[in-house]
Amino acid sequence: KQEVTQIPAALSVPEGENLVLNCSFTDSAIYNLQWFRQDPGKGLTSLLLIQSSQREQTSGRLNASLDKSSGRSTLYIAASQPGDSATYLCALDSGAGSYQLTFGKGTKLSVIP
Amino acid sequence: GAVVSQHPSRVICKSGTSVKIECRSLDFQATTMFWYRQFPKQSLMLMATSNEGSKATYEQGVEKDKFLINHASLTLSTLTVTSAHPEDSSFYICSALTGSGNTIYFGEGSWLTVV
Repeated sequence: KQEVTQIPAALSVPEGENLVLNCSFTDSAIYNLQWFRQDPGKGLTSLLLIQSSQREQTSGRLNASLDKSSGRSTLYIAASQPGDSATYLCALDSGAGSYQLTFGKGTKLSVIP
Repeated sequence: GAVVSQHPSRVICKSGTSVKIECRSLDFQATTMFWYRQFPKQSLMLMATSNEGSKATYEQGVEKDKFLINHASLTLSTLTVTSAHPEDSSFYICSALTGSGNTIYFGEGSWLTVV
């Protein structure tokens, strides 16, 4: 059974700082990995999706990497802004594109102005 | 862009009653939708996969007779929590897979409180 762990559970940084969020998983047989953003009481917004054959994806200030062999993914946020404050979720599709996702508990990020 | 709408966003119901949550894809057809549940400080957990025109597939440990899922059209799936108990209080969120099958969109979720 796939297990997804996100560390740290919470992170507080001053505005402008670069930061890294971590995600680890137990079964490397994944189809893809996604990073989502969840604002309080809201739904999920997909940030980046990395296919199993890829090593990284970039979108603006965000860069996500994937190392299947070690069961790790990182989300790098450059020049953090207060608007980046949210919970970031890592999710894996282990079912050949079934889109049945296994989520981590998330990292709650607070960017202090 | 594609939007998935959930209704209601918040609902309070009495123990023993049933409550229905709707998940609609507003500008695309979704043959497959997913229902997740999230308890406080826990991760989102897949409850069931809903396919238009057929019975939903439930994850292990999810009671199909308690959580009724109906995917009657290509744009609507409903989750009905029957005989609700306080322990069913949770955040329920759906996602919908586009017809091309390559993008998934999440709704905004529904907070259920059973008193």
